[in-house]
Amino acid sequence: AQTVTQSQPEMSVQEAETVTLSCTYDTSENNYYLFWYKQPPSRQMILVIRQEAYKQQNATENRFSVNFQKAAKSFSLKISDSQLGDTAMYFCAFMKKGGAQKLVFGQGTRLTINP
Amino acid sequence: ETGVTQTPRHLVMGMTNKKSLKCEQHLGHNAMYWYKQSAKKPLELMFVYSLEERVENNSVPSRFSPECPNSSHLFLHLHTLQPEDSALYLCASSQEAGGWDTQYFGPGTRLTVL
Repeated sequence: AQTVTQSQPEMSVQEAETVTLSCTYDTSENNYYLFWYKQPPSRQMILVIRQEAYKQQNATENRFSVNFQKAAKSFSLKISDSQLGDTAMYFCAFMKKGGAQKLVFGQGTRLTINP
Repeated sequence: ETGVTQTPRHLVMGMTNKKSLKCEQHLGHNAMYWYKQSAKKPLELMFVYSLEERVENNSVPSRFSPECPNSSHLFLHLHTLQPEDSALYLCASSQEAGGWDTQYFGPGTRLTVL
């Protein structure tokens, strides 16, 4: 079974700073997908960024980028020029390729951006 | 954020009650999901439906009974729940149940079992 670990329960940074959230996972699969989801205080979970395991190039979405280290089974999220609206719970998730879309989530990191 | 809606947003019920949670997606998706989000635990997938057929049942107790009458609606029927079932129940949908289509989540139903 796959597991996802987020070792930072809480983080706090000042507005405009760069912050990196860590995520490691354990799997014997070779083909899979990785995701970062954001859950703001209003509770609606939204996708931030995603990565296909077979792609070596790290995914980037505006201020959000990932550092995907397949051998180390590490998938960290970097938020550049952080904004107050980035305050949220961030969840790392794993999905095996094929079959039903079964997302396996980490425990989450509560990120607070301070003015 | 009105693509996936859930009702009610909050629910308090006794252990002997029967209630239902409703989810509706307005995105034309073919797959729908129920997740349970408990305090201090990772989000847990409960059920997956693809084209109204259940394709995944993640070892969920029978006191939770899902129903998917069509691709836009998903219900979670609750009966004889336990206090440990108190949690945020999230519904999600995606275009298909295979591949890596983005899952769109609803706002959740906060359930409290007394």
